Amino acid sequence: DTGVSQDPRHKITKRGQNVTFRCDPISEHNRLYWYRQTLGQGPEFLTYFQNEAQLEKSRLLSDRFSAERPKGSFSTLEIQRTEQGDSAMYLCASSFQVKLTSGSSYNEQFFGPGTRLTVL
Amino acid sequence: AQSVTQLDSQVPVFEEAPVELRCNYSSSVSVYLFWYVQYPNQGLQLLLKYLSGSTLVKGINGFEAEFNKSQTSFHLRKPSVHISDTAEYFCAVTRRLNTGFQKLVFGTGTRLLVSP
Repeated sequence: DTGVSQDPRHKITKRGQNVTFRCDPISEHNRLYWYRQTLGQGPEFLTYFQNEAQLEKSRLLSDRFSAERPKGSFSTLEIQRTEQGDSAMYLCASSFQVKLTSGSSYNEQFFGPGTRLTVL
Repeated sequence: AQSVTQLDSQVPVFEEAPVELRCNYSSSVSVYLFWYVQYPNQGLQLLLKYLSGSTLVKGINGFEAEFNKSQTSFHLRKPSVHISDTAEYFCAVTRRLNTGFQKLVFGTGTRLLVSP
């Protein structure tokens, strides 16, 4: 399977613990995104990497959150001192840039299955 | 900034009936538009996208959508639904760029419930 994979699929933790999630993108994709989806809501953007560089971060990404993509391949998202409000599905997506004939560009994002975090 | 409104949180429909899921967007710049489907405990799968050209776009699983610039809408339709279409559907928008970063901005989703 050459799609985006995420590990673990489910994580239950106690408040105050640290957790780390991993995302393996499609191998030829140089762009990687993290989104968070809470119950009954659409996904919300958290952060974006182009190769190993973290180029964009949402204001949703508090200082307890950190993301890395050390070699421009897989990425990790760590949450320190988890809170109950962190309970959500964390989605990873990857893409590559396509130039359109109009001159504009487009990135089709392929999503992984997500990691569902429950903080007790 | 962009925003997406999906007014219907849930749409119940009988099998083999037609369905329309509504999506309206707001943006000060030109955008690309998408519909994604999410089955329980799974990630998002792209149904269709509008980049340019014909305003009627066809996607997978018999779905289609029409881009209406004047009404800033991108409604999703299917002429005859199946039980297996039961899922959450998300409309999303991203800005049209020559280069650089594009994040997806999603609506809150519409749950399609197909019953026999």
